[in-house]
Amino acid sequence: SQQGEEDPQALSIQEGENATMNCSYKTSINNLQWYRQNSGRGLVHLILIRSNEREKHSGRLRVTLDTSKKSSSLLITASRAADTASYFCATFGAGSYQLTFGKGTKLSVIP
Amino acid sequence: EPEVTQTPSHQVTQMGQEVILRCVPISNHLYFYWYRQILGQKVEFLVSFYNNEISEKSEIFDDQFSVERPDGSNFTLKIRSTKLEDSAMYFCASSENSPYEQYFGPGTRLTVT
Repeated sequence: SQQGEEDPQALSIQEGENATMNCSYKTSINNLQWYRQNSGRGLVHLILIRSNEREKHSGRLRVTLDTSKKSSSLLITASRAADTASYFCATFGAGSYQLTFGKGTKLSVIP
Repeated sequence: EPEVTQTPSHQVTQMGQEVILRCVPISNHLYFYWYRQILGQKVEFLVSFYNNEISEKSEIFDDQFSVERPDGSNFTLKIRSTKLEDSAMYFCASSENSPYEQYFGPGTRLTVT
């Protein structure tokens, strides 16, 4: 399967600190995406990184991709209480429209 | 900013009943999807829809499930005879010109009793 698996499963930090979440996947990908889900709510698309990219930034988010290790990381800098949510990586395989999600990292940012 | 909307936000139904979950994708989007998330589990792909037909479906999407785009704006998921294990959050998503950036709705929580 092409599942992304995030670690840690849960992360608790103080406001202002940086949060790093990791994702590993099993097969070749075209791109990797990160989503956020606030408790009981829908999924919000955060960032997409293509397989030929190594790093991408969006505001306080920084995503890296290492295709040789089949892993990605999401860094949230200067975290805020509003960043409290679950974060998921998701991947497609070649020729598939099926977005496959990992179990997610539950981030708690303590004010 | 345009967004995907879903109705109802919560649906309670009895086992064996038919339910229809409704979605209004973003207006210029061409690809449509349904996913579900059983409580505490991963988000799982159900089906993708493009050019008025199913383009891909998972093994979860059996004969009890069907999708339809009855007009130019709505996209529905029908479950013919609900089972207890169909209880989940169902997410609709859409994407514009390719499947690679999917925008999700807020979800419909389906509770089967």
